[in-house]
Amino acid sequence: GQSLEQPSEVTAVEGAIVQINCTYQTSGFYGLSWYQQHDGGAPTFLSYNALDGLEETGRFSSFLSRSDSYGYLLLQELQMKDSASYFCAVRGENQGGKLIFGQGTELSVKP
Amino acid sequence: NAGVTQTPKFQVLKTGQSMTLQCAQDMNHNSMYWYRQDPGMGLRLIYYSASEGTTDKGEVPNGYNVSRLNKREFSLRLESAAPSQTSVYFCASSVIQGKLSNQPQHFGDGTRLSIL
Repeated sequence: GQSLEQPSEVTAVEGAIVQINCTYQTSGFYGLSWYQQHDGGAPTFLSYNALDGLEETGRFSSFLSRSDSYGYLLLQELQMKDSASYFCAVRGENQGGKLIFGQGTELSVKP
Repeated sequence: NAGVTQTPKFQVLKTGQSMTLQCAQDMNHNSMYWYRQDPGMGLRLIYYSASEGTTDKGEVPNGYNVSRLNKREFSLRLESAAPSQTSVYFCASSVIQGKLSNQPQHFGDGTRLSIL
């Protein structure tokens, strides 16, 4: 089977840097994705790692270590609008593109 | 571009009633998915369709059926609604390419379903 672990809540202040970790167990692995969901809204894609290393997209970066079955999402220069839930998701082999999502991390950004 | 459109946005049912949730995408994606999300929880896959004409069970398929009507449309049916199916339902689509390629899923705005 597949499972993912991420912290349920993280709090940080505006302008700071925050890291949201994700560990996974999966039979077969094609990549780790990150999605953002504002309260009640549709999840939106943020970042994807298929290979080890860091991917940077503006203020957001995502890291993957396949040997450690571990990844993280790094948010820099936090803004109030970054308050949302963040989900990691794994895509396994031969599974038609389907994703298994973690339970989500609720990020609260304080002034 | 509309992206992924779900109807209805809200629905209240009585236990035992049936209901079909509609989903359509205009991005020419080959794969489509139905998820449910319960309060404070992640997204759990109900069914997916890797391509037109195929459907497969996800993590929580019991109590649901799906139809991939054509490449654009993927519907979810509750034959006899139960209170445990009260949830927010999201439809998503993606294009399947190479093994390691990025295949982001695009989500609709969700259907908020309450079963009394």
